[in-house]
Amino acid sequence: GENVEQHPSTLSVQEGDSAVIKCTYSDSASNYFPWYKQELGKGPQLIIDIRSNVGEKKDQRIAVTLNKTAKHFSLHITETQPEDSAVYFCAASLAIGNYGGSQGNLIFGKGTKLSVKP
Amino acid sequence: DVKVTQSSRYLVKRTGEKVFLECVQDMDHENMFWYRQDPGLGLRLIYFSYDVKMKEKGDIPEGYSVSREKKERFSLILESASTNQTSMYLCASSRRILAKNIQYFGAGTRLSVL
Repeated sequence: GENVEQHPSTLSVQEGDSAVIKCTYSDSASNYFPWYKQELGKGPQLIIDIRSNVGEKKDQRIAVTLNKTAKHFSLHITETQPEDSAVYFCAASLAIGNYGGSQGNLIFGKGTKLSVKP
Repeated sequence: DVKVTQSSRYLVKRTGEKVFLECVQDMDHENMFWYRQDPGLGLRLIYFSYDVKMKEKGDIPEGYSVSREKKERFSLILESASTNQTSMYLCASSRRILAKNIQYFGAGTRLSVL
């Protein structure tokens, strides 16, 4: 089955600096790669995602890159702000059309705790 | 606005008690999930359901069971709570028919078993 590795487990940056979190996956059939942000006291929330037919996607200060050949994808946050402090999870899944059972379940990395110091 | 509601934010139970964690979603989603979150271990899937009365084991089902009698409600049951089940429990839901698999999470229930 799919296995997702995430690094680093903790990351501390100064406000205004960039932060990069990296994930690798094992199943070449996976085609959907979301990133979730979990703020203190809340459940994870989707912040950006990428499909396997795209190499890069950007949304304001956050971007995700995907290297299918190497089976890794990364989250990039530029101009970090204190409100970016949270735990970030990457995930991988097979997401095609109609499915039931475990085929489309998300496989999560273990998370990265990002601290942005003012 | 999508909403997944977990009935309790904090719960304290004694060893051996039967514990019910309730989750309700208002998005008419077919899929529902229960995860356990522990420091350094990330999100581990306990059970999931892709339809009413259907249930499937996840990665760590031992010591847990689930019930899905109605589409909007998914319950996690600890038959006989043990101290190693002290954890944060997260419920999530998603649509079945979707080009991408977005899961919506509740705020979590922090369970302490004494």
